[in-house]
Amino acid sequence: DTGVSQDPRHKITKRGQNVTFRCDPISEHNRLYWYRQTLGQGPEFLTYFQNEAQLEKSRLLSDRFSAERPKGSFSTLEIQRTEQGDSAMYLCASSLRPRRGGARGTEAFFGQGTRLTVV
Amino acid sequence: EDKVVQSPLSLVVHEGDTVTLNCSYEVTNFRSLLWYKQEKKAPTFLFMLTSSGIEKKSGRLSSILDKKELSSILNITATQTGDSAIYLCAVEAGYGNKLVFGAGTILRVKS
Repeated sequence: DTGVSQDPRHKITKRGQNVTFRCDPISEHNRLYWYRQTLGQGPEFLTYFQNEAQLEKSRLLSDRFSAERPKGSFSTLEIQRTEQGDSAMYLCASSLRPRRGGARGTEAFFGQGTRLTVV
Repeated sequence: EDKVVQSPLSLVVHEGDTVTLNCSYEVTNFRSLLWYKQEKKAPTFLFMLTSSGIEKKSGRLSSILDKKELSSILNITATQTGDSAIYLCAVEAGYGNKLVFGAGTILRVKS
């Protein structure tokens, strides 16, 4: 499977525990995004990497959330001291930056998501 | 703050009907507008629109962008039960090229 893959697919954790999710993007894609989606809502942007540089973080991302992409390939999203309000689907997407002079915009491909339940 | 609004929020139709879904946006540094279909899991890509007035078509689905009105529509003709899904509109905007999503339109096609 050469699409975006996320691990684990489901995670149930007790409030106060730390959790870490992994995303493996499509191999030639240099951009990687994390989104959070709750029932009845569209995905909310959390953070975005170009290669290994984290270029933007949403104000939604409290200091309990941290994301890394150490070698510009896979990425991890860690949530410390989880709260019940963190329960959601965490989606990862990847895309390729358009070349200079090429078409504007890129399409993002999504992974299957990690569903987090905090009890 | 960048904003994408979709309407209607939900829609129930019968097989064979034609539906039109709406998306309007208010963003800085607009780059493109994308439509995704989401069934049980991850959104799957449908269309990317960058130029006003040019219709994109794929089978029974089509979409067009109006940059003057800051909006887009997604049409589905001769709907089938397999079209039942959440349809998400996203705008690529800002200097970081992040995708800003609307809340989605839930479409249910009854047989």
